[in-house]
Amino acid sequence: NAGVTQTPKFRILKIGQSMTLQCTQDMNHNYMYWYRQDPGMGLKLIYYSVGAGITDKGEVPNGYNVSRSTTEDFPLRLELAAPSQTSVYFCASSLALGTAYGYTFGSGTRLTVV
Amino acid sequence: GIQVEQSPPDLILQEGANSTLRCNFSDSVNNLQWFHQNPWGQLINLFYIPSGTKQNGRLSATTVATERYSLLYISSSQTTDSGVYFCAVEGYNTDKLIFGTGTRLQVFP
Repeated sequence: NAGVTQTPKFRILKIGQSMTLQCTQDMNHNYMYWYRQDPGMGLKLIYYSVGAGITDKGEVPNGYNVSRSTTEDFPLRLELAAPSQTSVYFCASSLALGTAYGYTFGSGTRLTVV
Repeated sequence: GIQVEQSPPDLILQEGANSTLRCNFSDSVNNLQWFHQNPWGQLINLFYIPSGTKQNGRLSATTVATERYSLLYISSSQTTDSGVYFCAVEGYNTDKLIFGTGTRLQVFP
């Protein structure tokens, strides 16, 4: 009964490096999301997916890429890390649009770009 | 897109006090949720409440969809209630949950 699992929990990157943030869910949810939370701020939507093979941009997609090859996994890729991407990243999933079950969030990945 | 505003931005309480947090949104919504982010950063889903009233222990929430606001009530606050409370909404014909900027609550013994 893991819910939404994110790895790694912490990472420090140098400017220009790349990395992939992993997210997996075991609830058979169709919808998955990536958010970023800057210090003292709310969450901003980066990308989302309504099912395997379908992804779309959120509010702040620049500098990121995603893929959704399976229902369970929704990795987020940073190709050329920049200091502006220092943030806490949350992955979330939901069963369907407007579901009464709501959204389930992972525990977050704290990324620092230096 | 939908705008979500929360008030107050900061709230300091003594243990045992009651409080009301407000969330205003700019358009009709299909989904509204309240979350608590604890001091360790974990996001806890408190209520799914696009309309009506719900209660869970010392917490309750009311959404008046026609007037585009929601209220979260915390009664007999405890130090463990500290953290940031977020309201998030999902508009009709969208697949996105949009977050407000949050209310930071500090409860002192």
